[in-house]
Amino acid sequence: GAVVSQHPSWVICKSGTSVKIECRSLDFQATTMFWYRQFPKQSLMLMATSNEGSKATYEQGVEKDKFLINHASLTLSTLTVTSAHPEDSSFYICSASFRDEQYFGPGTRLTVT
Amino acid sequence: AQKITQTQPGMFVQEKEAVTLDCTYDTSDPSYGLFWYKQPSSGEMIFLIYQGSYDQQNATEGRYSLNFQKARKSANLVISASQLGDSAMYFCAMRIFGNEKLTFGTGTRLTIIP
Repeated sequence: GAVVSQHPSWVICKSGTSVKIECRSLDFQATTMFWYRQFPKQSLMLMATSNEGSKATYEQGVEKDKFLINHASLTLSTLTVTSAHPEDSSFYICSASFRDEQYFGPGTRLTVT
Repeated sequence: AQKITQTQPGMFVQEKEAVTLDCTYDTSDPSYGLFWYKQPSSGEMIFLIYQGSYDQQNATEGRYSLNFQKARKSANLVISASQLGDSAMYFCAMRIFGNEKLTFGTGTRLTIIP
């Protein structure tokens, strides 16, 4: 139980386009989901906390207008990278809270060319 | 603010030996939880073990044990009888009770040598 999926697992897009990443809790309802970013050989950095039905809370230094987060239901949160640039290339991981634990998705590798 | 420190960027260990991955933390809050995650090259974060700040005994999960020394603010992960499949990045993380956010350390890359 407590499985989190992400889609797509990897994506390549051209600079200037937008990319949407989905995070789903498959067998539980998650009122809170988290979005992390991980550069190669570095740690996970929390980007934002997503609560169902309300606006996401972004960490300091994260551009709200660039990384749009929507938590429309108790099982789905989406991260849209708008007007992507090569520096946005990274590994994006979501997690969902369930019974005081965080369950992580498998991650999405974004490459912007 | 919370801080997690992992001072070993990389470690090489012979197969079947035990290995200790260091983690120290800093917080002024008395109520917190400490976590260890394994991240293989595929990128998924695999939960290994958890220790609560009020837990009297060190946590154990199969080959994983957590050496929790509260006064020293350390929460080292011990892996016994290491296996080739243990090669991965290992992250220590902390969460303050009442706050769902996790704070991660910089990680240790463990390589098991056959």
